[in-house]
Amino acid sequence: SYDLTQPLSVSVALGQTARITCGGDNIGAKIVHWYQQKPGQAPILVIYRDGNRPSGIPERFSGTNSGNTATLTIGRAQVGDEADYYCQLWDSGTSVFGTGTKVTVL
Amino acid sequence: EVQLVESGGGLVQPGGTLRLSCAASGFTFNRHWLSWVRQAPGKGLEWVANIKEDGSEKYYGDSVKGRFTISRDNAKESLYLQMNSLRVEDTAIYYCTRDSFSAWWHYFEDWGQGILVSVSS
Repeated sequence: SYDLTQPLSVSVALGQTARITCGGDNIGAKIVHWYQQKPGQAPILVIYRDGNRPSGIPERFSGTNSGNTATLTIGRAQVGDEADYYCQLWDSGTSVFGTGTKVTVL
Repeated sequence: EVQLVESGGGLVQPGGTLRLSCAASGFTFNRHWLSWVRQAPGKGLEWVANIKEDGSEKYYGDSVKGRFTISRDNAKESLYLQMNSLRVEDTAIYYCTRDSFSAWWHYFEDWGQGILVSVSS
């Protein structure tokens, strides 16, 4: 099965930029999506197909995917961005989630 | 507004069965793939199964293959998950999702609020 590896946690100062990585073998050849999950809530889609934002998601959220790493970038981080973030892709008839990253805004 | 409302969860003994339902509204039901995704307490997300618009294609995660069955009723705009031979490790919140699916991608556009399934003796 295909494995997606994320850092356990990322800390970012208020107003600065957070980058959350998602590592996988030649992941740049696949299409990656990102979800945000706040405590006690269902996840929401924040980036689809590598770098597209659903309606209602701030422009501060962006995504890239190349080589062996996909990256979710959160610009001008706010307290409301504190959450768990998961990458996800479809591979060989299976949908795979990353291990998840907890983002803390200091 | 898309709404996905799960029901049917609860406490069941190991080896038991349970059937989850998801009532959908706010979108053209028979034009979307649908999935079940679960999350064990304090753990990450795990995709369980998905089903094509007309029910003709289904895919399952390895951990539930042969034990769980996904189905849908387009007339009732409902999604189901029949869970047999339940194990303690199936304990999780189960989410119903509306999907975007193609030959190259699959992602979860909208999520229900989730329903808790507890497997314990």
